[in-house]
Amino acid sequence: ETGVTQSPTHLIKTRGQQVTLRCSSQSGHNTVSWYQQALGQGPQFIFQYYREEENGRGNFPPRFSGLQFPNYSSELNVNALELDDSALYLCAHGSGRKNEQFFGPGTRLTVL
Amino acid sequence: GENVEQHPSTLSVQEGDSAVIKCTYSDSASNYFPWYKQELGKRPQLIIDIRSNVGEKKDQRIAVTLNKTAKHFSLHITETQPEDSAVYFCAASISTGGGNKLTFGTGTQLKVEL
Repeated sequence: ETGVTQSPTHLIKTRGQQVTLRCSSQSGHNTVSWYQQALGQGPQFIFQYYREEENGRGNFPPRFSGLQFPNYSSELNVNALELDDSALYLCAHGSGRKNEQFFGPGTRLTVL
Repeated sequence: GENVEQHPSTLSVQEGDSAVIKCTYSDSASNYFPWYKQELGKRPQLIIDIRSNVGEKKDQRIAVTLNKTAKHFSLHITETQPEDSAVYFCAASISTGGGNKLTFGTGTQLKVEL
């Protein structure tokens, strides 16, 4: 395993609600990226944090936001949930100098 | 932005045969190309990667080749086994000192039949 953990495993919300997903790593990698993976598709880049600052963002609206903490754990927050937000949300930890990204097990979000 | 195309979308091989999955990318500045294996309900697992200063890399039964001129890279699995059955994703990125954004292909469902 990668040492990257995510919580919760599964989550069910209704449209308009807000959700916070969490990610942590035992290894202390200083970059964390979040991806959205819809069923049957490849992961789509949401954003990346490096040393607690946002370091790149994909084509996602501002209601997707994040935080990285000094211990390299991180959060993904999604406001005003829409049905299309239903997906597997993956975080990936990596080193700022190395290229490899190691994924957590994901959080399966269902929006009803 | 970067666009990655992956073919085929499904691939069925007999146990012991070889499997080849191909990807193309659009941004000539991309310099890092990982491959991930994702089993049903599990996380993507990094299985091999290649950087733009290398044309080929091999790890036991798995090899990756890169053609920078044509912007193609491929995954080769030899002597396939049933446990190789999974979805495989290629990705491309431009790595910087502060990290890299992975752009993924659409995935290849590999089925290894007995």
